[in-house]
Amino acid sequence: QKEVEQNSGPLSVPEGAIASLNCTYSDRGSQSFFWYRQYSGKSPELIMFIYSNGDKEDGRFTAQLNKASQYVSLLIRDSQPSDSATYLCASSGGSYIPTFGRGTSLIVHP
Amino acid sequence: DAGVIQSPRHEVTEMGQEVTLRCKPISGHNSLFWYRQTMMRGLELLIYFNNNVPIDDSGMPEDRFSAKMPNASFSTLKIQPSEPRDSAVYFCASLDGGDEQFFGPGTRLTVL
Repeated sequence: QKEVEQNSGPLSVPEGAIASLNCTYSDRGSQSFFWYRQYSGKSPELIMFIYSNGDKEDGRFTAQLNKASQYVSLLIRDSQPSDSATYLCASSGGSYIPTFGRGTSLIVHP
Repeated sequence: DAGVIQSPRHEVTEMGQEVTLRCKPISGHNSLFWYRQTMMRGLELLIYFNNNVPIDDSGMPEDRFSAKMPNASFSTLKIQPSEPRDSAVYFCASLDGGDEQFFGPGTRLTVL
């Protein structure tokens, strides 16, 4: 059974702080890792993907992957109230079929 | 492109009725996914089509659920008969062979 685990939260951070979201996965064959953002009542949208160990930065977002520990994280720098959403972590092997975590709710308060 | 289109956006029905959800993927995308999302279970993959062929339907809950993709631009998910536990948001997503799945707006289904 392939599983992706996330703390459901909510994670509450003040505006301007760094938000750190974490995820673990069970399938060692996973090759691709994704972070989706889902606003309340909306559909998920991809914000980051990562394949290789280490860090990948895109603007205020940094994804981190540690395959040895089966651990993926997403850092959001200079958090804004508009970042308040549920963040879904997903992993997939070579089949493009992702397994999603249940998401972490992030609240950025002014 | 208009993105992934789903209809209806909301559906309220009574237990035992047939429900049909529709999806139009992004033109040129060769993979289509149906998901169900609930608070209890999160986002679950129901079925995955590639080039209109069902590849993995292991997530389909039971025989009451069926999905078809008669052509590259249209797919349906049918529930017959519907039950209150089927109440959820159903998402369709499409993929062009890259990494990013594009999700439709979802159909919020309520079965009374």
